[in-house]
Amino acid sequence: DGGITQSPKYLFRKEGQNVTLSCEQNLNHDAMYWYRQDPGQGLRLIYYSQIVNDFQKGDIAEGYSVSREKKESFPLTVTSAQKNPTAFYLCASSIQMAVSNTEAFFGQGTRLTVV
Amino acid sequence: AQSVTQLDSHVSVSEGTPVLLRCNYSSSYSPSLFWYVQHPNKGLQLLLKYTSAATLVKGINGFEAEFKKSETSFHLTKPSAHMSDAAEYFCVVNPTNAGKSTFGDGTTLTVKP
Repeated sequence: DGGITQSPKYLFRKEGQNVTLSCEQNLNHDAMYWYRQDPGQGLRLIYYSQIVNDFQKGDIAEGYSVSREKKESFPLTVTSAQKNPTAFYLCASSIQMAVSNTEAFFGQGTRLTVV
Repeated sequence: AQSVTQLDSHVSVSEGTPVLLRCNYSSSYSPSLFWYVQHPNKGLQLLLKYTSAATLVKGINGFEAEFKKSETSFHLTKPSAHMSDAAEYFCVVNPTNAGKSTFGDGTTLTVKP
């Protein structure tokens, strides 16, 4: 089955610790995205990548980092510089960002909690 | 610049009654518009999309939406609500100039028995 897989589903982080969220897609999509969702709020864009080995900051990139070494993988690292990381994180992909009439496909999300 | 406004943060209906979730947009270009649904602790799933073809768009699970350019609206409707429709709904606009998607803040739909 084609789709996007996020892991883990739940993640706990200690203060001052870096953690990495995994996102893998087998849809052969060029574009991939990371969003953050807080309770009662919409989705906010953290980073996006239009093609392998390239990525850009979204609206709330501070305290996060990404890499795009392979087309199918777009991991997100939440660094210790992110002061309020507790949230629900969603990864998505689309055929190409330049093709505006195509939809995004979403993973099932990772819930990160700081303990 | 583009924006999306979902006019109701919460909508409550009784099972079997119609659903109306309202979305207004602004865009400098002719946009593509989408509605997604999100069940608790899940990812978003596409309900339907408008891409400059027919203005009345039919989606999954009996939902449909009508694109009204003069009103800059893209409201989501369903004739008869089901308990399984209870979820968060997002209206999204994609610009035609290959920019980033803009998400509305979401509408929580509650369906009462």
